[in-house]
Amino acid sequence: AQSVTQLGSHVSVSEGALVLLRCNYSSSVPPYLFWYVQYPNQGLQLLLKYTSAATLVKGINDFEAEFKKSETSFHLTKPSAHMSDAAEYFCAVREGGSQGNLIFGKGTKLSVKP
Amino acid sequence: DADVTQTPRNRITKTGKRIMLECSQTKGHDRMYWYRQDPGLGLRLIYYSFDVKDINKGEISDGYSVSRQAQAKFSLSLESAIPNQTALYFCATRGQPGTEAFFGQGTRLTVV
Repeated sequence: AQSVTQLGSHVSVSEGALVLLRCNYSSSVPPYLFWYVQYPNQGLQLLLKYTSAATLVKGINDFEAEFKKSETSFHLTKPSAHMSDAAEYFCAVREGGSQGNLIFGKGTKLSVKP
Repeated sequence: DADVTQTPRNRITKTGKRIMLECSQTKGHDRMYWYRQDPGLGLRLIYYSFDVKDINKGEISDGYSVSRQAQAKFSLSLESAIPNQTALYFCATRGQPGTEAFFGQGTRLTVV
């Protein structure tokens, strides 16, 4: 069965510092992987997705993620954090079978210190 | 207008009351979903529907029911609300498998 593990429920960085949010997955089928962001009092918004094309995926707001099959990882990075990046981030993997539903990790809350 | 609209945005209800959360979408997608979000637990799937005649239980369907009134409308009901159903509820739509889901703004439900 597919699953997603996000390491660290809370991550705190200083403004201008590197952001690294970790996601490991398990999947019995070639994975489709997604990162979503949730700003306070809002719904989830897609940041980026991996669908078996390039292993380095670029998303909105200078976020990117690298698919590493050998490590079953899809970590999210951003070179320089902004205060506006403070939000909760969710990694998701597509479920196998005909349903193909998305299975979400438990989320990582990112705080950005001035 | 938003692609996925949920009503109401906030609701406080009493234990034992029946409540319906509504979702409508303008994406033209066949697949619609209801998720529940609790702090530290991420999003958990309650029900999903691949078309008007296809309704499926998700991970945590007990205590909930759904109705797919049309391609664009998918409602979630709590027949007899209980306090541990206090949560943030999201509706989402998807096109084909492998594509991303589009989410509504959420409904914050409090059962007292």
